Amino acid sequence: EIVMTQSPATLSVSPGERATLSCRASQSVSSNLAWYQQKPGQAPRLLIYGASTRATGVPARFSGSGSGTEFTLTISSLQSEDFAVYYCQQYNNWPPWTFGQGTKVEIK
Amino acid sequence: EVQLVQSGAEVKKPGESLKISCKGSGYSFTSYWISWVRQMPGKGLEWMGRIDPSDSYTNYSPSFQGHVTISADKSISTAYLQWSSLKASDTAMYYCARRARGTPGGMDVWGQGTTVTVSS
Repeated sequence: EIVMTQSPATLSVSPGERATLSCRASQSVSSNLAWYQQKPGQAPRLLIYGASTRATGVPARFSGSGSGTEFTLTISSLQSEDFAVYYCQQYNNWPPWTFGQGTKVEIK
Repeated sequence: EVQLVQSGAEVKKPGESLKISCKGSGYSFTSYWISWVRQMPGKGLEWMGRIDPSDSYTNYSPSFQGHVTISADKSISTAYLQWSSLKASDTAMYYCARRARGTPGGMDVWGQGTTVTVSS
């Protein structure tokens, strides 16, 4: 089973600032990686798939990069609605698909 | 509108059985796999398994294999997650989510979640 490790666990950012979230896989997952956003009391929302492709309707301030074992989600200028928990998920080697433990982006 | 609508919250006792549902609409149900994802209180997301509604082929996470059963009825565009004997540790939110068959990618549409509470 591939283990996904996200860092940091919590990221404190001021509105308008840039946020950089990291995700590391225990072995290569090629570009078969997705990012999700989850707000309190809501279902997760797909942001990025294929490591760098934005899902339908996702604002351009969200970008993904990386391949192999190291991945990054960047939010270029944080808006109030972006404060949430973000999860990475690999779908290269399965079963199972595996998620990282999440990074909480909170208001500084 | 493309959506997955899940059945309502459940409160059960340990040892009881349970079957929750996820109904797809607004798209071709057999063109997408349905996965089930667990979220325990205050915790992260765990992929439990998936079904291909076109042929009911399933895959399970080793962590859930043998404890839950995933099924689907394509005639009514509905997938199911069931337990034969619930434990208190099954208390969680359960989400269904779809992913296109044959196309690597993320889970792009999610149900609203079903809360399952198991308590004596």
